[in-house]
Amino acid sequence: DTGVSQDPRHKITKRGQNVTFRCDPISEHNRLYWYRQTLGQGPEFLTYFQNEAQLEKSRLLSDRFSAERPKGSFSTLEIQRTEQGDSAMYLCASSSRTSHNEQFFGPGTRLTVL
Amino acid sequence: AQKVTQAQTEISVVEKEDVTLDCVYETRDTTYYLFWYKQPPSGELVFLIRRNSFDEQNEISGRYSWNFQKSTSSFNFTITASQVVDSAVYFCALRDSPYNNDMRFGAGTRLTVKP
Repeated sequence: DTGVSQDPRHKITKRGQNVTFRCDPISEHNRLYWYRQTLGQGPEFLTYFQNEAQLEKSRLLSDRFSAERPKGSFSTLEIQRTEQGDSAMYLCASSSRTSHNEQFFGPGTRLTVL
Repeated sequence: AQKVTQAQTEISVVEKEDVTLDCVYETRDTTYYLFWYKQPPSGELVFLIRRNSFDEQNEISGRYSWNFQKSTSSFNFTITASQVVDSAVYFCALRDSPYNNDMRFGAGTRLTVKP
């Protein structure tokens, strides 16, 4: 499978716990994006990487959220001290150097905070 | 500020009917990009089309067609002879410059095609 992959697909955690999600982009894609989607809404942009550099962060990305892409390949999104309001689908997308307007999405990680 | 409005929350049609999904956008930029994505029940967003602001030509791809009108800031999507497999949530999205990576999505339209 050469598409964007995300792990885990589902995560249930208790309020206050930390969680980490992983995204593996399409191999030749240098750009990587994280989005959050709540029920009945469209995805909301969280952050963007070009290679290993995090170039853009939304104001939605509070201090409890941190994203990394240490080697310019896979990326992780960590949420510390989770709150019930963090429950959502977290989507990762990637795009190529030559066609950066076309983002390919992964299947998402559904987070439920109890 | 950029904004995308999909006024139709849910649409239900019977198979073989034509259906149009509306999308209205707001942006102050003269260069921007519009997109449609499909999100089937499996959850993965599937890219359907991208349109640049300087290309107002309508596009047809099989049963799908898109009508881009800058005068009304609309980018509507029509499915001809709908099929049950077309049932999904469809999102319109806007990216308002080549240097802005914040792609703004509408709230989506849930299309149900009944047999």
